[in-house]
Amino acid sequence: AQKITQTQPGMFVQEKEAVTLDCTYDTSDQSYGLFWYKQPSSGEMIFLIYQGSYDEQNATEGRYSLNFQKARKSANLVISASQLGDSAMYFCAMRELYNQAGTALIFGKGTTLSVSS
Amino acid sequence: NAGVTQTPKFQVLKTGQSMTLQCAQDMNHNSMYWYRQDPGMGLRLIYYSASEGTTDKGEVPNGYNVSRLNKREFSLRLESAAPSQTSVYFCASSNPSRDTQYFGPGTRLTVL
Repeated sequence: AQKITQTQPGMFVQEKEAVTLDCTYDTSDQSYGLFWYKQPSSGEMIFLIYQGSYDEQNATEGRYSLNFQKARKSANLVISASQLGDSAMYFCAMRELYNQAGTALIFGKGTTLSVSS
Repeated sequence: NAGVTQTPKFQVLKTGQSMTLQCAQDMNHNSMYWYRQDPGMGLRLIYYSASEGTTDKGEVPNGYNVSRLNKREFSLRLESAAPSQTSVYFCASSNPSRDTQYFGPGTRLTVL
């Protein structure tokens, strides 16, 4: 069965510093997709970044980048120049095939990031 | 575009009551989903609909039913609410190219 593991329940960083949030995954599929979502205290789920298993380059979206190491089955999120507004829960997720008919996401348990001034 | 909308935002039910959570998307997505989020558990899939007219069970479907009313709308029904269904419920829809899912604001449900 596919699985997503986020081993850091909480991370602390100061403003303007970079931070890496860890994510490892387990799948026997050759084609898969990995996602990161942000959930601020207001509760909504915000899509941040996507990495396909066949993408040769690491994905980047503004201050977010995904450190994709396929052989190690890791997909860590790197946030550069942290801001106070980055304080939130971050979820790693993987696309999973359901009943050969559709796909859905399986989520890790999340990492809480706290940014201080 | 409103994206994905959900109603209601908050709801309190008594054990045994029924209710329907509504979800609509205006992004012309084929696939729609219902998840629940419990503390420390991440999000878990309840039901999904790969296209209009089809629905299928996810990881935790017991106690729920769904209806894909049309391409835009996907509702979740609790026929007889139980305290174990106290949770935050998210609806999502996805585009076909990457299956990136876009989420609604969530419904916080408490069952007493």
